[in-house]
Amino acid sequence: SQQGEEDPQALSIQEGENATMNCSYKTSINNLQWYRQNSGRGLVHLILIRSNEREKHSGRLRVTLDTSKKSSSLLITASRAADTASYFCAAMMDTGRRALTFGSGTRLQVQP
Amino acid sequence: NAGVTQTPKFQVLKTGQSMTLQCAQDMNHEYMSWYRQDPGMGLRLIHYSVGAGITDQGEVPNGYNVSRSTTEDFPLRLLSAAPSQTSVYFCASSYTYGGDGYTFGSGTRLTVV
Repeated sequence: SQQGEEDPQALSIQEGENATMNCSYKTSINNLQWYRQNSGRGLVHLILIRSNEREKHSGRLRVTLDTSKKSSSLLITASRAADTASYFCAAMMDTGRRALTFGSGTRLQVQP
Repeated sequence: NAGVTQTPKFQVLKTGQSMTLQCAQDMNHEYMSWYRQDPGMGLRLIHYSVGAGITDQGEVPNGYNVSRSTTEDFPLRLLSAAPSQTSVYFCASSYTYGGDGYTFGSGTRLTVV
């Protein structure tokens, strides 16, 4: 079963706008990660937030984590056409199998 | 360049054939894993390894075997290919078991006819 579920499934915005993607997960986690996948390519790690952190920044990326709601969000500010890709959240559970469980992703289209 | 190398990039198999998907990393990562990605879905874990000689099953292990004789290599074997195994396969590695981001290979697109 999938641990992370993203919302929305698809998002289309204009260049310069902000894009927000949400992720919900089911069980206690050690950390939550976000990845980007360009069409036909492998996944690229963007950012990792640990369960004891609430917010993290990396360049134009901002990730928040709310463990009480079992949810996370990824904000991309001042989006560019090159940000067009699919974005996946992935949860690392706190116990049991230490492997990332991925959601089904959000397809982001940034119009130039 | 350092990273995860997967071969082949594309493969067409007939039902019942066997093959091995290769994965190699040169980052001295202890943890390696195999995922499959189907259209409109996220990645599902097939098998993983926390070090040489240690492997374990993931979410969808049936029909696949793995071994890890060296730190660098983690091949995935399809025993008797079925159309349901048509998918894109990704190998990923990380320095630690659970605490770091993964580095992914570029994938193998497999079609079983």
